[in-house]
Amino acid sequence: GQNIDQPTEMTATEGAIVQINCTYQTSGFNGLFWYQQHAGEAPTFLSYNVLDGLEEKGRFSSFLSRSKGYSYLLLKELQMKDSASYLCAVRQAGTALIFGKGTTLSVSS
Amino acid sequence: KAGVTQTPRYLIKTRGQQVTLSCSPISGHRSVSWYQQTPGQGLQFLFEYFSETQRNKGNFPGRFSGRQFSNSRSEMNVSTLELGDSALYLCASSSSHEANYGYTFGSGTRLTVV
Repeated sequence: GQNIDQPTEMTATEGAIVQINCTYQTSGFNGLFWYQQHAGEAPTFLSYNVLDGLEEKGRFSSFLSRSKGYSYLLLKELQMKDSASYLCAVRQAGTALIFGKGTTLSVSS
Repeated sequence: KAGVTQTPRYLIKTRGQQVTLSCSPISGHRSVSWYQQTPGQGLQFLFEYFSETQRNKGNFPGRFSGRQFSNSRSEMNVSTLELGDSALYLCASSSSHEANYGYTFGSGTRLTVV
């Protein structure tokens, strides 16, 4: 099976940088995804990593270390609209995407 | 292009009843996955279908079942509803069950069991 851990809650202020960590234990790793979910809405795709290293997309970056079973999502220049849940999800070869319980980020002014 | 469509958006059922939820994937997507989302447990995987075949199944009791039709539309059924089945049921579609494509989620069906 898979075990995916991420912090339950985080807080930050507008303009700051926040890093949301995700650790996982799995066999046959086949990719790690980050999703954003605003309250009452569907999750939306943010990023995908399958090789070690950093993937940058505007204010959001995602990092993966397969040997450590570790990923993080980095959000820069935080805005109020970034207040949401951030979901880490891992795919094993031949299986569906399995999600962690999510990290609720609150951004204050 | 149209996104993932789930119907109905909201549903209230009584314990012991059964319910069927529907999901129409993005046109051309052949993989459909279902998840149950609750505040305490997050997104829990129910099942995944590809070309009318169930590819994977999560750890849910047999009261939860699903199917996929030839046009890739999918339905999930929950029989003998329990209070604990109250949740947001999300459907996600993908262009391939093997490639590492991101899933696109529908807005979900909010099921309340009373």
